[in-house]
Amino acid sequence: SSELTQDPAVSVALGQTVRITCQGDSLRSYYASWYQQKPGQAPVLVIYGKNNRPSGIPDRFSGSSSGNTASLTITGAQAEDEADYYCNSRDSSSNHVVFGGGTKLTVL
Amino acid sequence: QLQLQESGPGLVKPSETLSLTCTVSGGSISSSSYYWGWIRQPPGKGLEWIGSIYYSGSTYYNPSLKSRVTISVDTSKNQFSLKLSSVTAADTAVYYCARRRIVVVPAAMIEWFDPWGQGTLVTVSS
Repeated sequence: SSELTQDPAVSVALGQTVRITCQGDSLRSYYASWYQQKPGQAPVLVIYGKNNRPSGIPDRFSGSSSGNTASLTITGAQAEDEADYYCNSRDSSSNHVVFGGGTKLTVL
Repeated sequence: QLQLQESGPGLVKPSETLSLTCTVSGGSISSSSYYWGWIRQPPGKGLEWIGSIYYSGSTYYNPSLKSRVTISVDTSKNQFSLKLSSVTAADTAVYYCARRRIVVVPAAMIEWFDPWGQGTLVTVSS
């Protein structure tokens, strides 16, 4: 099996840059995808693959990966970016899916 | 634009079977490019993958839930369904359905869930 580890909480000053990380052995073989979830709403895909943004996602969101760590970077964080962020990948040994525990982002 | 909508009882008694259906509109569930999945989120907690199904009927389940989970697909209705048996209070959660896309690129595999349904809260209580 595989696990993805995220920091429970991160904060950033308005307009500054923040990086949210996700660690796991499966990330050496598979790209992570990232989801934003605001209170009472369903998750929304923000990054997938090497660094792909779905239509409608602002370009201040970007993704990167190195070794067993995937990162979601928000350059110039806005108040509306305050949310929970989850990473997701495939288990390295099967067709199973794993989610990270989530990171609560606070924009100060 | 593809949309997914969960439906089913919001209250289930302990030891009974939870049954939910996801209706897909704006696209065909029989597309060879996609899987279809169920994900849940207990109140105040993170996301947990339950399982995925291909339109042909091939299924993949979370090992921790595998003994209690059945996911099926009805291509004629453009729907897929979740059954979770012997539920307890620990199964109380918002249940989401979502489309899962898998793309193989040179030396890598990319996959993601998009779009998601709005979610439905299922409470397990007597």
